[in-house]
Amino acid sequence: EAQVTQNPRYLITVTGKKLTVTCSQNMNHEYMSWYRQDPGLGLRQIYYSMNVEVTDKGDVPEGYKVSRKEKRNFPLILESPSPNQTSLYFCASSPTRTSSSYNEQFFGPGTRLTVL
Amino acid sequence: GQNIDQPTEMTATEGAIVQINCTYQTSGFNGLFWYQQHAGEAPTFLSYNVLDGLEEKGRFSSFLSRSKGYSYLLLKELQMKDSASYLCASGETGGFKTIFGAGTRLFVKA
Repeated sequence: EAQVTQNPRYLITVTGKKLTVTCSQNMNHEYMSWYRQDPGLGLRQIYYSMNVEVTDKGDVPEGYKVSRKEKRNFPLILESPSPNQTSLYFCASSPTRTSSSYNEQFFGPGTRLTVL
Repeated sequence: GQNIDQPTEMTATEGAIVQINCTYQTSGFNGLFWYQQHAGEAPTFLSYNVLDGLEEKGRFSSFLSRSKGYSYLLLKELQMKDSASYLCASGETGGFKTIFGAGTRLFVKA
């Protein structure tokens, strides 16, 4: 089954304790992206990647890191989480994303993170 | 600046038609997306418009006016399962960012 998976689905942690949220897709998509979703603010893009070893900042990258060493995986790293990073996080992928074409994004199930 | 506006909530009756509006102001524009998101679930793609006009897909249609920075999603023959949030999003040229609106929560009542 074609899908985007995220782990963990739920996480409660404490301030300053490094964590990684994994994202994997089995559709051979070039483009992957991370979003956070907060009430009243909608989805905000954190980082995106056009292909292996190619990443760029979205609108809210502060406090986050990403890497793209393999095409299928795009982990989100919080080196020192803080309470304002408590949110619902979605990973998404799409086949190709260029300035002259479009592709719908396929979203993972979400990771609900609470930082105490 | 970059901004996408859509109503926060709407209520409609089963079997009726509802129109969800979206206005956008983005630094570059490469099309307008609509996604559906049920509570506690991931967004799923509904439609994409890059040219002016109406795109119809079953009970759902989406309209775009680039000159007015305006789009709407039209849902016909509403069903209870259409109760969800509807997210308007702009794809941007010159980069690969996607800007989402805050979403419109639609409640369908019997």
